[in-house]
Amino acid sequence: GQNIDQPTEMTATEGAIVQINCTYQTSGFNGLFWYQQHAGEAPTFLSYNVLDGLEEKGRFSSFLSRSKGYSYLLLKELQMKDSASYLCAVRDSNYQLIWGAGTKLIIKP
Amino acid sequence: GAVVSQHPSWVICKSGTSVKIECRSLDFQATTMFWYRQFPKQSLMLMATSNEGSKATYEQGVEKDKFLINHASLTLSTLTVTSAHPEDSSFYICSATARVSGNSPLHFGNGTRLTVT
Repeated sequence: GQNIDQPTEMTATEGAIVQINCTYQTSGFNGLFWYQQHAGEAPTFLSYNVLDGLEEKGRFSSFLSRSKGYSYLLLKELQMKDSASYLCAVRDSNYQLIWGAGTKLIIKP
Repeated sequence: GAVVSQHPSWVICKSGTSVKIECRSLDFQATTMFWYRQFPKQSLMLMATSNEGSKATYEQGVEKDKFLINHASLTLSTLTVTSAHPEDSSFYICSATARVSGNSPLHFGNGTRLTVT
């Protein structure tokens, strides 16, 4: 079956750096997405990786290793507003999005 | 950026009544729209995929007669929860894309929180 694993919850300190990991096993691969979802709101798009390597976008970076079925989202200079759930999703060979359960990130002052 | 509008944001209804949720793409033509359901602390669960002008494709376990989906135009899709029951209470989110390809992200509406009493 298809599976995406992320940690359920992480805690970090304001101003610090945090890395959220995602491992996947899917039928084919057509890209990996990271979304941010604040409580009670819909997800918002953060990043897309289809080739191996690091994609940097401001304070957020996303890394992909297709051979390892692994990605991470790196958040720098954490702010209180970064407290949210972070969802990893993989597009499979049928272009279906397979979603992880999300990682709840708690930022402490 | 691409904007998807979903209405209403929240609705409370009595058991046995029907509720319609609208999803509109405001600045692009959405050839494909997706309807998700999300329970607290759980991941998004895809309910159905709708393409403009054709019947929706429902995921296994989703009752098509209970969750009616209409995608009559390239900018509007509706989900009607018929004869709602308390177990249908959930967060319903629509998303849209102009094309289903590798790097095209889904753009989400703000979601509808449905409470059935």
